[in-house]
Amino acid sequence: GAVVSQHPSRVICKSGTSVKIECRSLDFQATTMFWYRQFPKQSLMLMATSNEGSKATYEQGVEKDKFLINHASLTLSTLTVTSAHPEDSSFYICSARAPSTDTQYFGPGTRLTVL
Amino acid sequence: AQKITQTQPGMFVQEKEAVTLDCTYDTSDQSYGLFWYKQPSSGEMIFLIYQGSYDEQNATEGRYSLNFQKARKSANLVISASQLGDSAMYFCAMREEETSGSRLTFGEGTQLTVNP
Repeated sequence: GAVVSQHPSRVICKSGTSVKIECRSLDFQATTMFWYRQFPKQSLMLMATSNEGSKATYEQGVEKDKFLINHASLTLSTLTVTSAHPEDSSFYICSARAPSTDTQYFGPGTRLTVL
Repeated sequence: AQKITQTQPGMFVQEKEAVTLDCTYDTSDQSYGLFWYKQPSSGEMIFLIYQGSYDEQNATEGRYSLNFQKARKSANLVISASQLGDSAMYFCAMREEETSGSRLTFGEGTQLTVNP
């Protein structure tokens, strides 16, 4: 299957700082990437759809000023958690849509802990 | 109403036996896709199998097969010859191509434990 990388895999930061998470499609070009959040023992919750060259589409209830998404190239999307607080601690996972099959392939996830 | 329902929070199976994980869905779209993903304790989501709504045959990928019953709106995952490495959380997901484009809706998941 297609390969999607995510960096960092784990980050611990102080409250009030910003954290950037990168999502890369390594062997295909992805015009569309997705960002999810997952709480322990729960399902994935879609936060936003990232479209290359245009603004991201956020799901209801997700603050776009808090979770900044940039999709500057066909292989890279970034999620920046601005002014992070302990309630932002979670597992963030991205996916990239492979255009040939329209299947979403997922990155390995980033575990964010805000102290 | 839930779009994807996985009624089994946990399932246990003996090594080398087959197991079926249930998934029912609800959509009014004529064109949709159904997916199964595996999430081990490491957290990564691994794509397993896909079934399109217009596919007449059940999808198969190695030890995975999808029992697609369109009239009953079910898309159960069958894992044959279970292995210890199959222990993980399994998510069923749906893509409603007419109403949601490429977005996926996930079920709550089933935690599968394979016993030696």
